[in-house]
Amino acid sequence: LAKTTQPISMDSYEGQEVNITCSHNNIATNDYITWYQQFPSQGPRFIIQGYKTKVTNEVASLFIPADRKSSTLSLPRVSLSDTAVYYCLVGDKAAGNKLTFGGGTRVLVKP
Amino acid sequence: NAGVMQNPRHLVRRRGQEARLRCSPMKGHSHVYWYRQLPEEGLKFMVYLQKENIIDESGMPKERFSAEFPKEGPSILRIQQVVRGDSAAYFCASSPTPAWEPGAINTQYFGPGTRLTVL
Repeated sequence: LAKTTQPISMDSYEGQEVNITCSHNNIATNDYITWYQQFPSQGPRFIIQGYKTKVTNEVASLFIPADRKSSTLSLPRVSLSDTAVYYCLVGDKAAGNKLTFGGGTRVLVKP
Repeated sequence: NAGVMQNPRHLVRRRGQEARLRCSPMKGHSHVYWYRQLPEEGLKFMVYLQKENIIDESGMPKERFSAEFPKEGPSILRIQQVVRGDSAAYFCASSPTPAWEPGAINTQYFGPGTRLTVL
C-alpha cells in the first residue's frame, strides 16, 4: 500500500475554501485515491474518490496532478459542521477490502 | 434504508470478562468489515467477512479475538478475557460488493461504532 502524508491539522473560518493536500509518492498504477470524513464519535463517511485529473461531487472536489504523487481535497465555503478529521487513502482493488487510515487531518472551522 | 447499525454503542467491561460487539450491515450488503480506532489515531483494519466466511483476518490479533457473520443475524466481534489495551472504538462497515471494479467505486459504509472501556 502506498503510504500517505497529510497535515496533522488545519484551521479555517466559515465561508472559506479549505484545501487539504495529501502526498503519496509511491502510488502504484492501479491505485485509486479516496477521501473519508469522520466527525467526533461517528464512523468515517466516504467523500470522494478519483484516479486522475479532477473529480467533483456535491460535497467536494479532488484535484490530482498528472504524476499522481499528490492529491488535493477542496471543500468549498466550509461551515462549522465541516469540522472533522479528513483521511486520505490510497489503494488498489485488493486494498479496497482493508482500508488503511493514517492519522488524518483535523480541520477546525471557526465562526 | 437504514444505515449500518452497531450495538451496544458503549460497553464497559472489567479485565478478564468477555465483550460481544454486534453489527447489522445495510440492507442488501453481504460484506462486513471490522476496524479498531485508538484515541487520536486512524482506524486499523481487523477482519473482513462475507456471509458465513472469514475472507481476511490479517489485522485481528490471533488470541482472544474472533469474528463471525452467520447466515442469519448480525456480525459479531468477540473479545475474550479483555485487557485495558482493548479499550477503543470498534467500527463496523459494510458494502454490497467485495472489491471495486474498474470504473466503479467501492464504498464502505460505516456504523456509529461501539466504544469499549475496560476497567
